[in-house]
Amino acid sequence: DAKTTQPTSMDCAEGRAANLPCNHSTISGNEYVYWYRQIHSQGPQYIIHGLKNNETNEMASLIITEDRKSSTLILPHATLRDTAVYYCIVRVFNTDKLIFGTGTRLQVFP
Amino acid sequence: NAGVTQTPKFQVLKTGQSMTLQCAQDMNHEYMSWYRQDPGMGLRLIHYSVGAGITDQGEVPNGYNVSRSTTEDFPLRLLSAAPSQTSVYFCASSLAAGGTEAFFGQGTRLTVV
Repeated sequence: DAKTTQPTSMDCAEGRAANLPCNHSTISGNEYVYWYRQIHSQGPQYIIHGLKNNETNEMASLIITEDRKSSTLILPHATLRDTAVYYCIVRVFNTDKLIFGTGTRLQVFP
Repeated sequence: NAGVTQTPKFQVLKTGQSMTLQCAQDMNHEYMSWYRQDPGMGLRLIHYSVGAGITDQGEVPNGYNVSRSTTEDFPLRLLSAAPSQTSVYFCASSLAAGGTEAFFGQGTRLTVV
């Protein structure tokens, strides 16, 4: 399974866009990029996923580079409730294996 | 629709005791998995199942057993609890592999003394 590398922590002002980077240079052609977040000690919450095209939903946007070796999760207008640990994960098609790293701790401040 | 339900929410065990962590989902999902999360760390995969009757090991399977006799349930058994198994345990399920999201339960906080 491909490994991911994320910064340990980031800060963002409330109302600003939060851009969370992720490197996955060994990603295979059949692996999806997923983003989850974990608020405090709750179960992880799905945010978004993509294979090679950019994706957008009501929570966030996912930008995947053309070579698929890195991606960026964008929270367009961060709020205090977005303070959480964000995990970037690559997941092989046809398995349920989500391999979590240590994630990025995003702190949104007023 | 309750989603993924884990019981109990909290448990204290003595070293050597056995117990089963329960996980049930009502979404007719094929895939289910168990993770543990130690303080300050990400989730680590213990065991997973791609359907009833089929299970496989994850990153940290030692000390844990699983079975999947029905689509809905995926219990995790600790046969002889050890202090190293003190952790928060999460169960997850998803409809199918690849381009689908996984839903997580709210966790079971286990302390082994």
